[in-house]
Amino acid sequence: DVKVTQSSRYLVKRTGEKVFLECVQDMDHENMFWYRQDPGLGLRLIYFSYDVKMKEKGDIPEGYSVSREKKERFSLILESASTNQTSMYLCASSSLGVTGVSTDTQYFGPGTRLTVL
Amino acid sequence: QQPVQSPQAVILREGEDAVINCSSSKALYSVHWYRQKHGEAPVFLMILLKGGEQKGHEKISASFNEKKQQSSLYLTASQLSYSGTYFCGTEMNRDDKIIFGKGTRLHILP
Repeated sequence: DVKVTQSSRYLVKRTGEKVFLECVQDMDHENMFWYRQDPGLGLRLIYFSYDVKMKEKGDIPEGYSVSREKKERFSLILESASTNQTSMYLCASSSLGVTGVSTDTQYFGPGTRLTVL
Repeated sequence: QQPVQSPQAVILREGEDAVINCSSSKALYSVHWYRQKHGEAPVFLMILLKGGEQKGHEKISASFNEKKQQSSLYLTASQLSYSGTYFCGTEMNRDDKIIFGKGTRLHILP
């Protein structure tokens, strides 16, 4: 079974702190994604990566950065956390399908609920 | 362009049928369906590619109408375990990232 793990289920930080959210997958997937999930807004893509050291902006990258030094690990960084970044953060991974780069099943981690005070 | 899902929420009794729609303002290459149970991660249900195909997964099936730029998810004889939020995700072209809709909350009553 594919397993995507996230470093914390719940996290509380103060405004201005630097926050690291870690995601690890154990299936040798090329693609990894970070989403945030807010009530009534669905899943919104923050950043994604198709390879080590490679990153692409999603729909809402402002205030975030990412790092992918190893294939299995994709980190989301909040350089200076703000209250409007309080949210559920979901990491996902997928393999390079035969039908195309992103036309493939995404496997999600359990999520990290981040509260910024 | 975020796809539009309808309805936003549905309450059914066990055994009833439901249809969830996902519409796009632009032509689609593929539609993905996921289900997220309360407090859990979203789980993949199925992918539909351009070609108007229909797919099935137990009593859950889906269709993809390219002309209407829309997909529908059909839940037949719903079970309590079907409760959750259903998301559709769409791709405009083959290598595009997936854009998810806002979700449809489905609640099944015994």
